[in-house]
Amino acid sequence: GAVVSQHPSRVICKSGTSVKIECRSLDFQATTMFWYRQFPKQSLMLMATSNEGSKATYEQGVEKDKFLINHASLTLSTLTVTSAHPEDSSFYICSAREIGGSYEQYFGPGTRLTVT
Amino acid sequence: DAKTTQPPSMDCAEGRAANLPCNHSTISGNEYVYWYRQIHSQGPQYIIHGLKNNETNEMASLIITEDRKSSTLILPHATLRDTAVYYCIVKWNYGGSQGNLIFGKGTKLSVKP
Repeated sequence: GAVVSQHPSRVICKSGTSVKIECRSLDFQATTMFWYRQFPKQSLMLMATSNEGSKATYEQGVEKDKFLINHASLTLSTLTVTSAHPEDSSFYICSAREIGGSYEQYFGPGTRLTVT
Repeated sequence: DAKTTQPPSMDCAEGRAANLPCNHSTISGNEYVYWYRQIHSQGPQYIIHGLKNNETNEMASLIITEDRKSSTLILPHATLRDTAVYYCIVKWNYGGSQGNLIFGKGTKLSVKP
């Protein structure tokens, strides 16, 4: 149980375009979903936290207008990177926290974004 | 900022126990110690967590010192597939920002044949 999926697993887009990444909790309902970013040889950095039906809470230094997060249901959150630039190329990982559970966070497999 | 200190890297021979240390001298009474690992280009994987008692599951054992200022993750019989970056994280065990997982730099464990 407690599986989190991400789609796509890998995406290449051109500079200036937008790209959407989906995060789904497959076998549980998630009150809260998290988005992390990881640059090569670095640790995961929390970008934002989203609660179902509410606006996302962004960490300091993360542009909310550039990284649009929607958490429309208890099993789906999306991250849209708008007007992507090469410096947005990174590994994006989502995680989900189960409702009423032990507050464990389960992670998705990640999405590799390359902006050319 | 991460509240833990870990060695940047460690080696371990295949089949031997891997002991990964973590210092968390500023841990508060309500914070748990969590361990996750990340195999290259994958999402983090939960290993184990504890408050003050030692814990064991099918993956590992967690030994927490009596003063809770440090802990050790033990992989009893390391295999090549255990090569990964291991993260020690302290956090509250409830929802809210203090319950978020904030990753430090971790320890890169290399298991060698």
